[in-house]
Amino acid sequence: NAGVTQTPKFQVLKTGQSMTLQCAQDMNHNSMYWYRQDPGMGLRLIYYSASEGTTDKGEVPNGYNVSRLNKREFSLRLESAAPSQTSVYFCASNGLTDTGELFFGEGSRLTVL
Amino acid sequence: AQSVTQPDIHITVSEGASLELRCNYSYGATPYLFWYVQSPGQGLQLLLKYFSGDTLVQGIKGFEAEFKRSQSSFNLRKPSVHWSDAAEYFCAVGASEYGNKLVFGAGTILRVKS
Repeated sequence: NAGVTQTPKFQVLKTGQSMTLQCAQDMNHNSMYWYRQDPGMGLRLIYYSASEGTTDKGEVPNGYNVSRLNKREFSLRLESAAPSQTSVYFCASNGLTDTGELFFGEGSRLTVL
Repeated sequence: AQSVTQPDIHITVSEGASLELRCNYSYGATPYLFWYVQSPGQGLQLLLKYFSGDTLVQGIKGFEAEFKRSQSSFNLRKPSVHWSDAAEYFCAVGASEYGNKLVFGAGTILRVKS
């Protein structure tokens, strides 16, 4: 029972480099989300995908792009990383009947130097 | 727009003592309310949720929370804390008109002393 799987778990980048965080869920969920977690700020929504083929901005989308590759996969791309993007990133998903309850991956810790 | 306030950044309690973590939300109608727990290096796990009905909800690990509409609060309680409860706790709010998106509070770090 994998649930939500994120890769990589750790990454160090230099300012200006690009990278993609991968997320896959095996629960047949329609909706998927990317959050970032920063100390004292809780989790803030970056982007979400309500269903396959749709994506929308969340609270803090600047500097990020997303792709809902299929129903299972939702990737987050940093085109030109900045130190302000140093954070822990969480992917989450839920289904139509979950009424808001989110299922989380274990997180990806990103450091931008 | 929805918002969530967790007034306590850190709380320390003795093992065996009771616990209450505070959560206040801002939303016009009755929201969906959640408490999640995050152990170090882990993702978030749902403790309990409130949608409607009985305002006292029971969750996993012996936790409960009470929805008080008049105070816009959803405080988390546990009668006797165990050392394994040390973690960070997040309150979150959602609403049907916002789809399934949740807004999270800043979190409360619980320390348990023996």
